[in-house]
Amino acid sequence: DQQVKQNSPSLSVQEGRISILNCDYTNSMFDYFLWYKKYPAEGPTFLISISSIKDKNEDGRFTVFLNKSAKHLSLHIVPSQPGDSAVYFCAASANFGNEKLTFGTGTRLTIIP
Amino acid sequence: EAGVVQSPRYKIIEKKQPVAFWCNPISGHNTLYWYRQNLGQGPELLIRYENEEAVDDSQLPKDRFSAERLKGVDSTLKIQPAELGDSAVYLCASSPRGGEQFFGPGTRLTVL
Repeated sequence: DQQVKQNSPSLSVQEGRISILNCDYTNSMFDYFLWYKKYPAEGPTFLISISSIKDKNEDGRFTVFLNKSAKHLSLHIVPSQPGDSAVYFCAASANFGNEKLTFGTGTRLTIIP
Repeated sequence: EAGVVQSPRYKIIEKKQPVAFWCNPISGHNTLYWYRQNLGQGPELLIRYENEEAVDDSQLPKDRFSAERLKGVDSTLKIQPAELGDSAVYLCASSPRGGEQFFGPGTRLTVL
């Protein structure tokens, strides 16, 4: 049972445009959500997080939006840069991050120069 | 600040052989995690430690996998005997107390 789903395995975006990565979850106990970025042969690197008490969190070019009623979150990257090309994982946790992370299957983002 | 250190980075073994992975978390991080990542999938938790105590090992295949975190710092994950299906990347992560987890580079295991 996939509790965190990333339905787009891959996404290509022109440099300078907005990249939007989507994630859906099914477990209503999840209340803390994170995005990780992964380059080949490296471990995942934390990007940005959001708790269920918020619906938006921004950090520079990265913004995460949370729609609790739809059990959906998205990561916006604007403007997209070539260095953003990587695999992005959505992850979710209960108890405000004090439980294990459940990851999605990832979306491979390619930024086209 | 040094990140999470894992060794070895790569390991190739024959099936039925034993193998061990080592992790040194970020200094001061009480919580340590071992994840397994299969090709094309996200990481899946194997075991979580709070200091020396394994607080969640429900996903650890205990017939062949074992882990320890002596003195609440370094940790070792062992597989004995390894099977073909164990080929994956084994990731260690740590956190100060829940929340954001910091990952090491992983150990890529290939079982032939």
